[in-house]
Amino acid sequence: DAGVTQSPTHLIKTRGQQVTLRCSPKSGHDTVSWYQQALGQGPQFIFQYYEEEERQRGNFPDRFSGHQFPNYSSELNVNALLLGDSALYLCASRPRDRSSYEQYFGPGTRLTVT
Amino acid sequence: AQKITQTQPGMFVQEKEAVTLDCTYDTSDQSYGLFWYKQPSSGEMIFLIYQGSYDEQNATEGRYSLNFQKARKSANLVISASQLGDSAMYFCAMRVGTGFQKLVFGTGTRLLVSP
Repeated sequence: DAGVTQSPTHLIKTRGQQVTLRCSPKSGHDTVSWYQQALGQGPQFIFQYYEEEERQRGNFPDRFSGHQFPNYSSELNVNALLLGDSALYLCASRPRDRSSYEQYFGPGTRLTVT
Repeated sequence: AQKITQTQPGMFVQEKEAVTLDCTYDTSDQSYGLFWYKQPSSGEMIFLIYQGSYDEQNATEGRYSLNFQKARKSANLVISASQLGDSAMYFCAMRVGTGFQKLVFGTGTRLLVSP
């Protein structure tokens, strides 16, 4: 049973460019959340998707947007990249069984903006 | 506002010894949950243990136990019989909100296990 997968593993972009990160949730999971983890910090919540809609959003500008597909996979898009967007981007999924609060994380995408 | 505080930037422990990683939290919600995650240098967040605010017993998962003191708003992680492979960053997190819940993380504690 595959866990949460993310692609790509690493990415280098230039300021002003746009980037798309991808996440496939664990089997049996339907809710996907995205987190940004700057170097030396804990992850910060970006947003959460359920039933193809954004359900909650953290304190991130509109340059950060996302999408969830019918197969529950998700994309995170960041426009007009800034140097400060350099971070590890983590995707987490939650099971359809709401009696479980556990969130499973993927290995992350390390984004470097130069 | 919900907040997690981890006051130990780094901890050292010898192999086979026990270690306690501190976590305090702040929330006005009655229903909440506390997690501990391990993050090795590879970056993936590995779930270790979960404690719900209404759980009367402290959670245990193998060598991990959570010392939950509700009145003090603390949720310390105890790792017994440390192993070299336990060297990693450890994050305490709290789930907030009902329904579509997000996690609020602390700043983490780096644990180094020496032989």
